[in-house]
Amino acid sequence: DAGVTQSPTHLIKTRGQQVTLRCSPKSGHDTVSWYQQALGQGPQFIFQYYEEEERQRGNFPDRFSGHQFPNYSSELNVNALLLGDSALYLCASSPEVGDGYEQYFGPGTRLTVT
Amino acid sequence: GENVEQHPSTLSVQEGDSAVIKCTYSDSASNYFPWYKQELGKRPQLIIDIRSNVGEKKDQRIAVTLNKTAKHFSLHITETQPEDSAVYFCAASSGGYQKVTFGTGTKLQVIP
Repeated sequence: DAGVTQSPTHLIKTRGQQVTLRCSPKSGHDTVSWYQQALGQGPQFIFQYYEEEERQRGNFPDRFSGHQFPNYSSELNVNALLLGDSALYLCASSPEVGDGYEQYFGPGTRLTVT
Repeated sequence: GENVEQHPSTLSVQEGDSAVIKCTYSDSASNYFPWYKQELGKRPQLIIDIRSNVGEKKDQRIAVTLNKTAKHFSLHITETQPEDSAVYFCAASSGGYQKVTFGTGTKLQVIP
């Protein structure tokens, strides 16, 4: 049983460009959360998706948007990239059954903006 | 919103000694406190968690304590081993499927 997977592993973009990151949750998980982890910092919550809708959002600008598909996989889109968007982007999924506390993280996508 | 503070930022201990990492939180509604271990270049992995109806939880060499009144919680690692070297993050959440707020991390180095 595969855990949470993310693609691509690494990505280099130029300032002003747009990027799409992808996440496939662990089997049996229906909730996906996205986090941004800058170098030397803890992960910061971006938003969470459930039933194909954004259920809650952290303190990130509208340049950050997402989507969840019927198979529960998710995308994170970032428009008009800034140098400060360089970070490790982590996806975490939570199981359908249970109380929703546990989150399982994917390996992350390392985004570098030049 | 929730704010989680974590200390120390770095910690060096001799192999076999104990390590303690402390965190405070601000939101009295928080009721779930996970701890994650992140090795260099890898994903955060849940090592232990505690809920607000419990004051202490232990799993082999790892234990977590929670003081709801003071809004403090701590991670204790006994008999440290070199493979315990990593960055440890505390976190807080106000309930199931709620966002998790992380601390700034503690880089633990266990010296053989």
